[in-house]
Amino acid sequence: DTAVSQTPKYLVTQMGNDKSIKCEQNLGHDTMYWYKQDSKKFLKIMFSYNNKELIINETVPNRFSPKSPDKAHLNLHINSLELGDSAVYFCASSQAGQNYEQYFGPGTRLTVT
Amino acid sequence: QKEVEQDPGPLSVPEGAIVSLNCTYSNSAFQYFMWYRQYSRKGPELLMYTYSSGNKEDGRFTAQVDKSSKYISLFIRDSQPSDSATYLCAMKTGSNTGNQFYFGTGTSLTVIP
Repeated sequence: DTAVSQTPKYLVTQMGNDKSIKCEQNLGHDTMYWYKQDSKKFLKIMFSYNNKELIINETVPNRFSPKSPDKAHLNLHINSLELGDSAVYFCASSQAGQNYEQYFGPGTRLTVT
Repeated sequence: QKEVEQDPGPLSVPEGAIVSLNCTYSNSAFQYFMWYRQYSRKGPELLMYTYSSGNKEDGRFTAQVDKSSKYISLFIRDSQPSDSATYLCAMKTGSNTGNQFYFGTGTSLTVIP
């Protein structure tokens, strides 16, 4: 059973396009995250939702818009893709009060050409 | 200054060596200290965590936290080729507000047979 799943795993698209990445967790967690990992492996927090409510919104271009239809899902929509958006995007989940563990998805490798 | 600093390496050691990985941090409010392991093209997975100062041992792995120096370490004894991965330290305050995890940049480790 996959705990945190993401689709698609790979995404190749052209500059200017709009794309979405989907994330689902079946752990019953109440908090979900989006991270961006660049080529140097730095994992940068983008957004966090707790019970469908946005609680972390780091300095991210407003071309990125997260949406949480329910506690188990957190999707990421990106408008007007740019070359610099190329990275691996990880979804993660945790349970509030559980202070040490996040479960990560397998990542979505986005390449913008 | 970044919240968490980690030497990115790369680190290359022969099989059987003792490996020492380190992170420093600036926020004295951090109370939970984690080490994640990330294999190539996979999501990070929790390896070990420590609450506050002290040591924790799990098999060949030992995590150490020195809050007075704001310094944490992960030691790997009898390193194996299967330990080849990127190791990320992560930290969190005790507060549930935001539930934000702060990651280091990761250290790439290769264990040569």
